[in-house]
Amino acid sequence: GDSVTQMEGPVTLSEEAFLTINCTYTATGYPSLFWYVQYPGEGLQLLLKATKADDKGSNKGFEATYRKETTSFHLEKGSVQVSDSAVYFCALTHTGNQFYFGTGTSLTVIP
Amino acid sequence: GAVVSQHPSRVICKSGTSVKIECRSLDFQATTMFWYRQFPKQSLMLMATSNEGSKATYEQGVEKDKFLINHASLTLSTLTVTSAHPEDSSFYICSAKVGGSSYNEQFFGPGTRLTVL
Repeated sequence: GDSVTQMEGPVTLSEEAFLTINCTYTATGYPSLFWYVQYPGEGLQLLLKATKADDKGSNKGFEATYRKETTSFHLEKGSVQVSDSAVYFCALTHTGNQFYFGTGTSLTVIP
Repeated sequence: GAVVSQHPSRVICKSGTSVKIECRSLDFQATTMFWYRQFPKQSLMLMATSNEGSKATYEQGVEKDKFLINHASLTLSTLTVTSAHPEDSSFYICSAKVGGSSYNEQFFGPGTRLTVL
């Protein structure tokens, strides 16, 4: 069945460091891929998404490219800020009904 | 656009009581809403899918009689935790899918923290 595997955390970085959070998936066909962010005590917010192979999603300095050949959707940011500290979830869906989430990666950015 | 609200954001109740959580789509019609449960430092677990005007579809292992879901209108779904016990304490998140389109994104509410004493 479909699944998402996400880099284990927690991840601790200094401010302005480069961030990569790995995400790979197993799915039939061409699912849509998402990154959600969850701040402490809050629900999930959509960070970015990509709906087909080679699409690049981007938002707030974060980027992820849909790589069909490697079944990956790694999240990157060139220079993280303290305010980026949160838990990041990679997810996929085919129809928007059944979402498959990764286990989440906790990011802490220190000044 | 596409805002989903939940109420209450936090609730504390005594063991044996029932708690109702509301999920509303504020600026769109949601024919399908979803309820998730999240344990500390874990991912979201889908509990059930509710379609407006019909019975909810529960995931395997989720007790239908414990977690009552009602989706009475295109903008409101409710989750009632009946006879709550401490093990029901969790973070409950709802989401909604835009109705009548092939748009496959879910919009998530801010979550409800339930603590059962």
